[in-house]
Amino acid sequence: GAGVSQSPRYKVAKRGQDVALRCDPISGHVSLFWYQQALGQGPEFLTYFQNEAQLDKSGLPSDRFFAERPEGSVSTLKIQRTQQEDSAVYLCASSSGQGRRNEQFFGPGTRLTVL
Amino acid sequence: AQSVTQPDIHITVSEGASLELRCNYSYGATPYLFWYVQSPGQGLQLLLKYFSGDTLVQGIKGFEAEFKRSQSSFNLRKPSVHWSDAAEYFCAVGAYNQGGKLIFGQGTELSVKP
Repeated sequence: GAGVSQSPRYKVAKRGQDVALRCDPISGHVSLFWYQQALGQGPEFLTYFQNEAQLDKSGLPSDRFFAERPEGSVSTLKIQRTQQEDSAVYLCASSSGQGRRNEQFFGPGTRLTVL
Repeated sequence: AQSVTQPDIHITVSEGASLELRCNYSYGATPYLFWYVQSPGQGLQLLLKYFSGDTLVQGIKGFEAEFKRSQSSFNLRKPSVHWSDAAEYFCAVGAYNQGGKLIFGQGTELSVKP
């Protein structure tokens, strides 16, 4: 079966542009997470969805970051007015249940470079 | 505050040698602990996890890890490293709330010498 997919795999944006990153989770997975991984660092939590409900957005670094999952499947992470510090790999993960006992399956990530 | 520390940024071992990657955590309750591996251009793959019970857990690809509560550690081991094990390794703790979000260490890059 298909795993988590993300598109685009690479994105180059000029500073100030808006970008949209897409995540297709494993079919039927209720939980979806976004993480940001800066160069040489471990992933850091951005936001969490349970079905279509965004239950935690405490990790979003600023109000320029916005995520949605309107039908409880595909999710989009949008970054407005990109800044150089937004350059990172954005990882999406999904899991079949709720809570830390459930394995999170990760996509390959989207590498965002802001010039 | 919840945190994970991986003291070694980069480790080099010879092929066939044993490996131990260190991980220390800070967590107020019973930790749920994970080790992930990340190869270039690939997503994170779960190697093993610890929730409760036997403190020595076996994972995929011949890896194992031992949970030591007294030392707040969850070190990853492999008896004999293969060249294909070269990758970045991340230790993580699962948060009790927030859907089980993962808190990662900064990672250890493993290089394997022929």
